Amino acid sequence: DGGITQSPKYLFRKEGQNVTLSCEQNLNHDAMYWYRQDPGQGLRLIYYSQIVNDFQKGDIAEGYSVSREKKESFPLTVTSAQKNPTAFYLCASTTGGEAFFGQGTRLTVV
Amino acid sequence: AQKVTQAQTEISVVEKEDVTLDCVYETRDTTYYLFWYKQPPSGELVFLIRRNSFDEQNEISGRYSWNFQKSTSSFNFTITASQVVDSAVYFCALSPTSRRQLTFGSGTQLTVLP
Repeated sequence: DGGITQSPKYLFRKEGQNVTLSCEQNLNHDAMYWYRQDPGQGLRLIYYSQIVNDFQKGDIAEGYSVSREKKESFPLTVTSAQKNPTAFYLCASTTGGEAFFGQGTRLTVV
Repeated sequence: AQKVTQAQTEISVVEKEDVTLDCVYETRDTTYYLFWYKQPPSGELVFLIRRNSFDEQNEISGRYSWNFQKSTSSFNFTITASQVVDSAVYFCALSPTSRRQLTFGSGTQLTVLP
């Protein structure tokens, strides 16, 4: 079945550590996105990529980094520079209409 | 810049009541898409509908209906005869047709009580 797979579902990070969230899609979509969701709030765009080897900052890119070496993959690294990383992270992909979302990764700083 | 406003943070209704979720948007783009997504407790966003800006015809799908009014920049969502399974957070979103970038509202938490 086609879809978006995010892993892991739950992730715990110690202060000062970098962690990488995985996002893989087999929908052959060009565009991929990372959103952050805080409790009781909407989704805020972190980074997006319209094509392989190219990506753009979203509204809250500070403290995050991404790569897009393959069409299918768009990993997000939460760096130690991100001061408040505890949140729910959603990856999405689209061809221009409906966006398909993964099941999300819940990141907690311990 | 574009913005989506969902003024209703939380709504509670009793089962079988009708409920309308409001969505107001701002955009400078002349053509755009509007969306509604449902987010159940599991967290994954479920696509409900996409509407193109040049199509103002209202749409009905089962117990769901959508009212798009370009004149007031609104795209409201009505659930008829609500059910407990409708309890979720509902997001309205906007994307210009010229670039693929979704802007979401802050969401409305709908609770349907038995």
